[in-house]
Amino acid sequence: DTEVTQTPKHLVMGMTNKKSLKCEQHMGHRAMYWYKQKAKKPPELMFVYSYEKLSINESVPSRFSPECPNSSLLNLHLHALQPEDSALYLCASSSTYIDQPQHFGDGTRLSIL
Amino acid sequence: GENVEQHPSTLSVQEGDSAVIKCTYSDSASNYFPWYKQELGKRPQLIIDIRSNVGEKKDQRIAVTLNKTAKHFSLHITETQPEDSAVYFCAANAYGQNFVFGPGTRLSVLP
Repeated sequence: DTEVTQTPKHLVMGMTNKKSLKCEQHMGHRAMYWYKQKAKKPPELMFVYSYEKLSINESVPSRFSPECPNSSLLNLHLHALQPEDSALYLCASSSTYIDQPQHFGDGTRLSIL
Repeated sequence: GENVEQHPSTLSVQEGDSAVIKCTYSDSASNYFPWYKQELGKRPQLIIDIRSNVGEKKDQRIAVTLNKTAKHFSLHITETQPEDSAVYFCAANAYGQNFVFGPGTRLSVLP
């Protein structure tokens, strides 16, 4: 069972498109994360939301825009992406943002044409 | 900031043998150490974790040991099975900081 649900599973988009990735968890977790993972590499942190407030933005280009509408939902808005942005985008959640296990979703595999 | 090294980068073992993966960390303030297993095309899955007030933790065939003095922690898998084949990531987490992942170990269990 995957307790963190991500949609879509796959996404192909052109460099001028606008799309959004969605993440949902119903575990009552108050911290949610976006990671980017390239092949054969560990996940790379992009954003952290703690109690629905953006806590960390790891110098991510502005073509990635996160949003946390409520404690269960996390979105990642994409615009004018580059081919090098093709990767697996993982959402994770944890009970709080302090030394807690993070539970990952299955990810969205993004391809930029 | 924290830096995590992981060895070996690849590991092949015969089915039924044991596998050991070792990680070292740099920040003595790190106090939480999870291990993730990622099968090809799947999500990272937490398999075991340990906190700095514990020296060893075991869950069936999987165990983790922590040496705070030497700043290293290790994953031990006994009686390996083909379904243990995956990439394993260690991570270290200092208080108030996010995880820092190791570069990963690709484990292959040969039948």
